[in-house]
Amino acid sequence: AQKVTQAQTEISVVEKEDVTLDCVYETRDTTYYLFWYKQPPSGELVFLIRRNSFDEQNEISGRYSWNFQKSTSSFNFTITASQVVDSAVYFCALSEVYSSASKIIFGSGTRLSIRP
Amino acid sequence: AAGVIQSPRHLIKEKRETATLKCYPIPRHDTVYWYQQGPGQDPQFLISFYEKMQSDKGSIPDRFSAQQFSDYHSELNMSSLELGDSALYFCASSSPQGARTDTQYFGPGTRLTVL
Repeated sequence: AQKVTQAQTEISVVEKEDVTLDCVYETRDTTYYLFWYKQPPSGELVFLIRRNSFDEQNEISGRYSWNFQKSTSSFNFTITASQVVDSAVYFCALSEVYSSASKIIFGSGTRLSIRP
Repeated sequence: AAGVIQSPRHLIKEKRETATLKCYPIPRHDTVYWYQQGPGQDPQFLISFYEKMQSDKGSIPDRFSAQQFSDYHSELNMSSLELGDSALYFCASSSPQGARTDTQYFGPGTRLTVL
C-alpha cells in the first residue's frame, strides 16, 4: 500500500530562518510521482513541484529546494530565508504513474508558521 | 492562465438535504478528480474521471455520485447529507499531454457546511 508520512505536525520559525519539511513515503511501485502542495490560510491547494521516481536530481526554485533520496524513500523540502508569506500547511504526496487518472495520496501535512 | 473553477465556493445545507458541486477543468484537460478535506485533515480521494468515464474510486459514500459531461466539466451529487459531510471539497484536473503530464491542478474548493 502507498503511504506518505510527514512526522512534523507543526513547525514555527522566525522570519529569515531556513526550514526543512520532512517527507517519507512507502510504495511497492517502482515508478511513481512525488509532489509538494502548499495550502495557505485561504484554503486553496497550490502545486509546488512534481518529481518522477527515476529522476533523483535535486531541484531549486528561488528560495525553495527539494531533496529526493530514493535510498531512504524521502522527499524533503527546504525553504531558505523564510518569509511570513510562507506560512501555510504543506502537503507531501504520492501517486502512481501507469494509470490514466491516478489518485494522489497525501501526507497529513506540516503546518508552518513564520514569525516576524 | 486559466485555472480549475469550482462552484459554488460556499454552500450551507441542512441534514438530509442534497447538494450538487460543480467543477470546470482547465481547458484541454480531460481528467477530473474529486477530493474531500475534513477540518484539520489531509485531502482524501473520492473519485476520478478520464474522458467522461469513471477511472478510479476511493472512499466515496454510496450517497454520493459523480459524472463527467461531454464538455469535461464534472458534478458531484451528494444526497442525504450528514453532519460529517461538512468539509472542503476539491476538484482537480490534469491532462496526459504536455510537459506537466498527470500533474493535478486543484481548484479553490467548495466549502460545504451541513447544519
